[in-house]
Amino acid sequence: DGGITQSPKYLFRKEGQNVTLSCEQNLNHDAMYWYRQDPGQGLRLIYYSQIVNDFQKGDIAEGYSVSREKKESFPLTVTSAQKNPTAFYLCASRSGTGAPYEQYFGPGTRLTVT
Amino acid sequence: EDKVVQSPLSLVVHEGDTVTLNCSYEVTNFRSLLWYKQEKKAPTFLFMLTSSGIEKKSGRLSSILDKKELFSILNITATQTGDSAIYLCVILNNAGNMLTFGGGTRLMVKP
Repeated sequence: DGGITQSPKYLFRKEGQNVTLSCEQNLNHDAMYWYRQDPGQGLRLIYYSQIVNDFQKGDIAEGYSVSREKKESFPLTVTSAQKNPTAFYLCASRSGTGAPYEQYFGPGTRLTVT
Repeated sequence: EDKVVQSPLSLVVHEGDTVTLNCSYEVTNFRSLLWYKQEKKAPTFLFMLTSSGIEKKSGRLSSILDKKELFSILNITATQTGDSAIYLCVILNNAGNMLTFGGGTRLMVKP
């Protein structure tokens, strides 16, 4: 089955630790995105990548880092510099040839930092 | 900075009621306005609106865009408990590669 997987589903970390969230897709999509969702704030774009080895900052990139070494993988690292990292994180991907609105979303990772 | 504002923030209705969800935006140029439904995890696509005044319908859901007044509404008639979700209004940029999300409206439909 094609799709996007995110792991883990729930993640708990102590303050001051870096943590990496996984996002893998087997849809052969070119573009991948990371969003953060907080209550009442919809989804906010952290980083996106339109092609392997290239990525761009979104609206709230501070305190986060990404890599895109392989087409199917777009891991997000939440660094200790992120002031308020507790949130729900959604990864999405989109085909370069598909309808522009068709971002396929993963199931999300809920990160809690104490 | 592009801004998408949804109202109300939350809404509680009973089955059979009709609801109207509002979305206003401050975006100078964009390709389309989209509506998504988010139940437990990932948002699922509902509608894409590109032109003003043309209503899109899907069963009990319908939506319309007003580019002059900079808003869109999503109507749900004869609501069911399965309609309970967060509804997200989203702007798709001109290049078609970035989405700007509103804060969402949380709808709860009681039996």
